[in-house]
Amino acid sequence: GAGVSQTPSNKVTEKGKYVELRCDPISGHTALYWYRQSLGQGPEFLIYFQGTGAADDSGLPNDRFFAVRPEGSVSTLKIQRTERGDSAVYLCASRGGGAEADTGELFFGEGSRLTVL
Amino acid sequence: QKEVEQNSGPLSVPEGAIASLNCTYSDRGSQSFFWYRQYSGKSPELIMFIYSNGDKEDGRFTAQLNKASQYVSLLIRDSQPSDSATYLCARGGADGLTFGKGTHLIIQP
Repeated sequence: GAGVSQTPSNKVTEKGKYVELRCDPISGHTALYWYRQSLGQGPEFLIYFQGTGAADDSGLPNDRFFAVRPEGSVSTLKIQRTERGDSAVYLCASRGGGAEADTGELFFGEGSRLTVL
Repeated sequence: QKEVEQNSGPLSVPEGAIASLNCTYSDRGSQSFFWYRQYSGKSPELIMFIYSNGDKEDGRFTAQLNKASQYVSLLIRDSQPSDSATYLCARGGADGLTFGKGTHLIIQP
């Protein structure tokens, strides 16, 4: 696609529920990133995929958070047993393909705003 | 110590003046730096990136990098009300970008 697409744009759920957030990166981008942004803070790294595999998941806060990218394109961030503290904007970003084109810039989607009541 | 530090502001600058945004980083091995602009409720968008010591200019924007002092800055000349936003400084790495908390800039008409 033309840009990074994220769905849903807004999700309101109750404490304890399961949530899935989807990201469709820019076509041809092999690297995909998930960040979480709380009010008044910068984006906080969660996980990074290179192709289908998670190259770095050190930012996932605990084992309630999991992400997949089974075909190397679309990714899903999964949050189990949601807690009020999980409320934030979840940003997905992708990064340019070949070495020549890759300036290191991340292209962000519009984010999924999660509210846990 | 956070890896990338920014003053959260708000920084208030009169229209037409120069806005100066500053950022320091702790990893002396960092090679690349990025400035993103983020309007309220929107996603970050790239303003500039810089890899080499010195200045890099693009229109009204100038990024400055001093690796010896571990300091990055962004200057915005002829500030416009539309420049009012949060400016995020980030350092690049193999696993993506590490962001500061951002500086909230307000351009007063």
